Amino acid sequence: DIQMTQSPSTLSASVGDRVTITCRASQSISNWLAWYQQKPGKAPKLLIYKASSLESGVSSRFSGSGSGTEFTLTISSLQPDDFATYYCHQYNTYSWTFGQGTKVEIK
Amino acid sequence: QVQLVQSGTELKKPGASVRVSCKASGYNLTSYGISWVRQAPGQGLEWVGWISALNGYRNYAQKVQGRVTVTTDTSTSTAYMELRRLRSDDTAVYYCARIGLTYPDYWGQGTLVTVSS
Repeated sequence: DIQMTQSPSTLSASVGDRVTITCRASQSISNWLAWYQQKPGKAPKLLIYKASSLESGVSSRFSGSGSGTEFTLTISSLQPDDFATYYCHQYNTYSWTFGQGTKVEIK
Repeated sequence: QVQLVQSGTELKKPGASVRVSCKASGYNLTSYGISWVRQAPGQGLEWVGWISALNGYRNYAQKVQGRVTVTTDTSTSTAYMELRRLRSDDTAVYYCARIGLTYPDYWGQGTLVTVSS
């Protein structure tokens, strides 16, 4: 199975900060990567698909980039509602995998 | 609007089976696949399996292969995940999600399955 490694595991930031989360795949997944936001007790919410396509209705302060094995999720100006855990997800192969998650905390 | 509504909390003993349902509304279940993802307490997301709407093809994670079956009932727009021979490490919140183009887009609210003697 393809392993997905996110970094950092935890990130402390302030409102207004630019935040970047990295996701590395153990082998090339082209651009078959999605990003999700999850808040405690809630289901994940799709933010980005196909590495850089913004899901309808999602704020434009979220953006994704990358291809092959290295990907990033960037939040341009962190807002109070953005404090959550973020997961990358590869769907390049029939066996899907998720990153271990990055928790964005208030500094 | 697209909605996926899952069945309620389950408490099972080790070795038992559980079936979680996921009722779809706001779209045609025959047009989109369904995936299942679980999350153990305090842990990350773990893919369990999916079923294709196109041809009914199923694929399962190695960790649950042989113990899990995902199905759909188009007459009731409901998807099901059955997990057998439950173990304590199967304790988790189980989510169903619609497979959009090729990735999960809309998610159910989750079903807590607790395995304990």
